[in-house]
Amino acid sequence: NAGVTQTPKFRVLKTGQSMTLLCAQDMNHEYMYWYRQDPGMGLRLIHYSVGEGTTAKGEVPDGYNVSRLKKQNFLLGLESAAPSQTSVYFCASSRGGSYNEQFFGPGTRLTVL
Amino acid sequence: GQNIDQPTEMTATEGAIVQINCTYQTSGFNGLFWYQQHAGEAPTFLSYNVLDGLEEKGRFSSFLSRSKGYSYLLLKELQMKDSASYLCAVDDRGSTLGRLYFGRGTQLTVWP
Repeated sequence: NAGVTQTPKFRVLKTGQSMTLLCAQDMNHEYMYWYRQDPGMGLRLIHYSVGEGTTAKGEVPDGYNVSRLKKQNFLLGLESAAPSQTSVYFCASSRGGSYNEQFFGPGTRLTVL
Repeated sequence: GQNIDQPTEMTATEGAIVQINCTYQTSGFNGLFWYQQHAGEAPTFLSYNVLDGLEEKGRFSSFLSRSKGYSYLLLKELQMKDSASYLCAVDDRGSTLGRLYFGRGTQLTVWP
């Protein structure tokens, strides 16, 4: 089992460009999450999903959109990248229910120039 | 957030014991997780507490007091490889179903 995978691992964008980050999990988990991590800020939740076809906003959703068309995939989109979106992005998944341990992907390091 | 508070940095020497504290406020507590994160890597699960008391797992132990909104992670016989950030995360079902609330992490440096 690969667990949680993220594509790409690194990316450099210019201001105003768009891109999509892909997260895939093979554990049949119901819940999936997108976080960003900046120095001194810890993990901040961008968007999350509690099931296929559902999405919800986290604490820093502005400038991002998400889709969960298939249970195993969770896509994070940046429509018009800004330098403030330079960060490390982590995807995570959990089975849901009473025990909510989250399993993390390896991360995507994004730089917006 | 859920007012999750943990120290920003700690240092210790190899072979020593260190305790990392975490305090929190929730309206519907459903468990507390500790994660370890090495520089440049993803967080990995260390421990989970949902009832009061101590959970021991090798060199690592985690304690929970629900009435005090308090947990700690105890690391014994420290090794250089324990240098990492340690994240406290709370499952608060009284707030939003399905998400964990993370503290900012405690950066632990182990010196030889």
